[in-house]
Amino acid sequence: DTGVSQDPRHKITKRGQNVTFRCDPISEHNRLYWYRQTLGQGPEFLTYFQNEAQLEKSRLLSDRFSAERPKGSFSTLEIQRTEQGDSAMYLCASSLTSGLDEQYFGPGTRLTVT
Amino acid sequence: AQSVTQLGSHVSVSEGALVLLRCNYSSSVPPYLFWYVQYPNQGLQLLLKYTSAATLVKGINGFEAEFKKSETSFHLTKPSAHMSDAAEYFCAVTANTGNQFYFGTGTSLTVIP
Repeated sequence: DTGVSQDPRHKITKRGQNVTFRCDPISEHNRLYWYRQTLGQGPEFLTYFQNEAQLEKSRLLSDRFSAERPKGSFSTLEIQRTEQGDSAMYLCASSLTSGLDEQYFGPGTRLTVT
Repeated sequence: AQSVTQLGSHVSVSEGALVLLRCNYSSSVPPYLFWYVQYPNQGLQLLLKYTSAATLVKGINGFEAEFKKSETSFHLTKPSAHMSDAAEYFCAVTANTGNQFYFGTGTSLTVIP
């Protein structure tokens, strides 16, 4: 198992464009999390999935943010109409079953909005 | 609502000295607490976690933390710092549902040879 992978690792986009990030969790992991991390801050929880069900999304930053995990395997995070304030590192993590299981983090996708 | 506060965004210790990284939490329900470490250019990695069993929790690489409810603290310690401990350390809290996580702003540990 190669761990959690994220693609792309870096994304530069112009303000107003839509972007989509992909996360591939560890294969037997049922839970998948998305976080945002800005410089000098800790990860900020956005949403999580239990298999294909999105069970918590109240902390998605705005309605421009959406996430899917259609078959309970990989997940995508989309940001529509990007703003400069969206520039950050977007982290994905997965865990085996429950929220108290260890989360394994991916390397992140660094987004720069110009 | 839950939150964590990490006092000291930067901590420097000499090699072989005690490491103490502070974390205080706020939670309206019994908390579950975690320490994660992030080495340069690597993803976050779990050091240890408290899930209401023993209050003194031992983790990887010789780190341990003690849950003190009366002080709402979960400080991370290591008796003797090693150069390889230089990294960013994050404290995090969740409720027993594990549905939302709140991370602190992190403490950058420098180890001086």
